[in-house]
Amino acid sequence: AQSVTQLGSHVSVSEGALVLLRCNYSSSVPPYLFWYVQYPNQGLQLLLKYTSAATLVKGINGFEAEFKKSETSFHLTKPSAHMRDAAEYFCAVSSNTGNQFYFGTGTSLTVIP
Amino acid sequence: GAGVSQTPSNKVTEKGKYVELRCDPISGHTALYWYRQSLGQGPEFLIYFQGTGAADDSGLPNDRFFAVRPEGSVSTLKIQRTERGDSAVYLCASSPSGDRYYEQYFGPGTRLTVT
Repeated sequence: AQSVTQLGSHVSVSEGALVLLRCNYSSSVPPYLFWYVQYPNQGLQLLLKYTSAATLVKGINGFEAEFKKSETSFHLTKPSAHMRDAAEYFCAVSSNTGNQFYFGTGTSLTVIP
Repeated sequence: GAGVSQTPSNKVTEKGKYVELRCDPISGHTALYWYRQSLGQGPEFLIYFQGTGAADDSGLPNDRFFAVRPEGSVSTLKIQRTERGDSAVYLCASSPSGDRYYEQYFGPGTRLTVT
């Protein structure tokens, strides 16, 4: 079965600094990869998705992620952090059939003013 | 337009009781998913509906959990003989048909506490 691993349950960055949140998927190439954001007391919101069309994926709020098959990674980045980026971020992968979705354990991002 | 809604937002029940959690998906979305999110964890897949039928219920932990979607819209997750270990946030998501079937839209969740 597909799975994802998120390295670092907590990440702190200064406002304006680079954001890097790490995600590695299991060895077989999944159909789809996703990043979701969860703000306090809100539902998960899709940030971006990889669907094999392009390895560099741009999402909302200035985030982007690069699919690297050689590293089995799909890390999330943003050049300059804003206070409003403070939230929980989840990486997810679809099953080979596309019917199930498997989430990582999440990374809590703190932005320091 | 309206997003996915879930009711109640919070539910406290005693061990051994029966509970029902409701999900109203986005109108027109054919796929509906239930997840369970425990503290400090990511969402865990429970069941997936395509229309009225459960296309994949392999994530349901045991036979105390059951879900229905009789008219292909609203879904109810039912938990019998609740246990303290069932305490979690239960999330519902829906997705459209066609090329975007993998784009899930999540509701705010129902926080279930079993005392």
